[in-house]
Amino acid sequence: SQQGEEDPQALSIQEGENATMNCSYKTSINNLQWYRQNSGRGLVHLILIRSNEREKHSGRLRVTLDTSKKSSSLLITASRAADTASYFCATAWNRNTGKLIFGQGTTLQVKP
Amino acid sequence: EAGVAQSPRYKIIEKRQSVAFWCNPISGHATLYWYQQILGQGPKLLIQFQNNGVVDDSQLPKDRFSAERLKGVDSTLKIQPAKLEDSAVYLCASAILDSSEQYFGPGTRLTVT
Repeated sequence: SQQGEEDPQALSIQEGENATMNCSYKTSINNLQWYRQNSGRGLVHLILIRSNEREKHSGRLRVTLDTSKKSSSLLITASRAADTASYFCATAWNRNTGKLIFGQGTTLQVKP
Repeated sequence: EAGVAQSPRYKIIEKRQSVAFWCNPISGHATLYWYQQILGQGPKLLIQFQNNGVVDDSQLPKDRFSAERLKGVDSTLKIQPAKLEDSAVYLCASAILDSSEQYFGPGTRLTVT
């Protein structure tokens, strides 16, 4: 079964607005990652946050991690039409094996 | 740097036929993964290789799926015989040793009719 559960399943916003996606997981992790998937394409790595980190930024992306609640959130600020994609969280139990368990994903539509 | 290459991009077969997918990882990446992504879901790991050895194949339906990574570089994933529920996108990803950041190929979309 998949580790991560994402919320919401779908999100539609206007360009310029912020988009927030949430991910919950069930077991202890080494790190949590977010990936983007454009329609018909492979996944692209966005950001990795380790279990001992609480917040991380990369450009317009902000990721938080709350290990006590087993949850993470991805915030995309000042969204653009090009941000339209599916976003997946993925958890790694063990850094050395590299194995990832993916959530179901959030489909984001940014309207121009 | 060249990305992960996969072929074919699309494949349509009838049930009970066989099919094979090919993946060429990023040069120097020791770890290679095959995922199955059913429409509307996240990728599910089928098999993980480290060099030419299998690290994890616990979710590979071994009665019909097989995979190999000869010489620790390219990999092939085969389905024989295919079932309707095998319709999905098959993604290959690679990573450097001891890293969990993965680089994905464009995937092969399989339709079984």
